[in-house]
Amino acid sequence: EAQVTQNPRYLITVTGKKLTVTCSQNMNHEYMSWYRQDPGLGLRQIYYSMNVEVTDKGDVPEGYKVSRKEKRNFPLILESPSPNQTSLYFCASSFGRRTNTGELFFGEGSRLTVL
Amino acid sequence: QKEVEQDPGPLSVPEGAIVSLNCTYSNSAFQYFMWYRQYSRKGPELLMYTYSSGNKEDGRFTAQVDKSSKYISLFIRDSQPSDSATYLCAAAKTSYDKVIFGPGTSLSVIP
Repeated sequence: EAQVTQNPRYLITVTGKKLTVTCSQNMNHEYMSWYRQDPGLGLRQIYYSMNVEVTDKGDVPEGYKVSRKEKRNFPLILESPSPNQTSLYFCASSFGRRTNTGELFFGEGSRLTVL
Repeated sequence: QKEVEQDPGPLSVPEGAIVSLNCTYSNSAFQYFMWYRQYSRKGPELLMYTYSSGNKEDGRFTAQVDKSSKYISLFIRDSQPSDSATYLCAAAKTSYDKVIFGPGTSLSVIP
């Protein structure tokens, strides 16, 4: 089954404790991206990757890091989480420049609470 | 000004009603317009996409784009309780460019 898998789905942590949210896709997609979703603000792009070893900042990159060492994986790293990073996070992937529709395939989300 | 705006609702309609969901956008360079549906506790999934102006129909759903007024619409005919979800409109300059999402409209279809 074609899917984007995120882990963990739910996480409560404390300020300053480093955490990683993993994302993996099995569709051989070139493009991967992380979004955060907040009430009234919608989906905002954090970082994206056009291919392996190619990453770039989105609209709200502060406080986050990413890496793309393999095509299928795109982990999101919060080095020192703060309460304003409490949010619902989505990983998404697509075929990138080979796409006809621009369809993004989303994971089921990771709800993060930082105390 | 946000690049893509939509009324967050919530919108509540009786089963069988025709639903109209609307968005406006500000960037005239947008050529691709999409509607994503997001069920509670799930990720968004693509419902429909449209290139440039015009209508596109898929079953009970019709997407409409008016580039002259920068207006995007989604019509749902014979709405069903299973249509209850948040609907996100989105736009992009090309099919592989950054996708800009609206904040979403929450829809409830009451049996």
